[in-house]
Amino acid sequence: GESVGLHLPTLSVQEGDNSIINCAYSNSASDYFIWYKQESGKGPQFIIDIRSNMDKRQGQRVTVLLNKTVKHLSLQIAATQPGDSAVYFCAENDNLNTNAGKSTFGDGTTLTVKP
Amino acid sequence: DAGVIQSPRHEVTEMGQEVTLRCKPISGHDYLFWYRQTMMRGLELLIYFNNNVPIDDSGMPEDRFSAKMPNASFSTLKIQPSEPRDSAVYFCASSFNQGTEAFFGQGTRLTVV
Repeated sequence: GESVGLHLPTLSVQEGDNSIINCAYSNSASDYFIWYKQESGKGPQFIIDIRSNMDKRQGQRVTVLLNKTVKHLSLQIAATQPGDSAVYFCAENDNLNTNAGKSTFGDGTTLTVKP
Repeated sequence: DAGVIQSPRHEVTEMGQEVTLRCKPISGHDYLFWYRQTMMRGLELLIYFNNNVPIDDSGMPEDRFSAKMPNASFSTLKIQPSEPRDSAVYFCASSFNQGTEAFFGQGTRLTVV
């Protein structure tokens, strides 16, 4: 059949609830991970990052968890607000190979916050 | 700094025409990236530069696409000739070094009719 494009995972939460967005990455050698937020009509914007020597990092209302064993990354947003509605991308970097500096992006998750 | 600046914001052109997208990275950033975003394929890296030198252009779709970075403050992505399937949002991004996040421009929405 005809392809209609990527089927992005979607997450719908109530305002004030906590959100968890998950990401599976592919390269076991990746050593740097970034979460980006993309609002409609804008470019992706940095939220938080984590290096492979850590398994948790906290920012303001956001926490990133890294599980290298299963190559899984998650973004937790506390007390989700309507302004958090956006598409969220994880990105992985392998800075030890010849393509250091290059980010590989996941497909994205659409977060919708209901007031 | 004003961030990464892209021009134009919107471009509508006819099939077969040459299109040039422009980018001014953040001053002091060593890396510059060109991405393409579509509903079909998401966010794809086309090419990236380190200190004005192209490092990886494996994402460039075909010979119709070319990118240059003549100096640290300017880059272009050119499509010649353009085709309707090139319609997408093209983002330029820059980063300080290999271990830091990328800063994205607002993008250029290209429509080829």
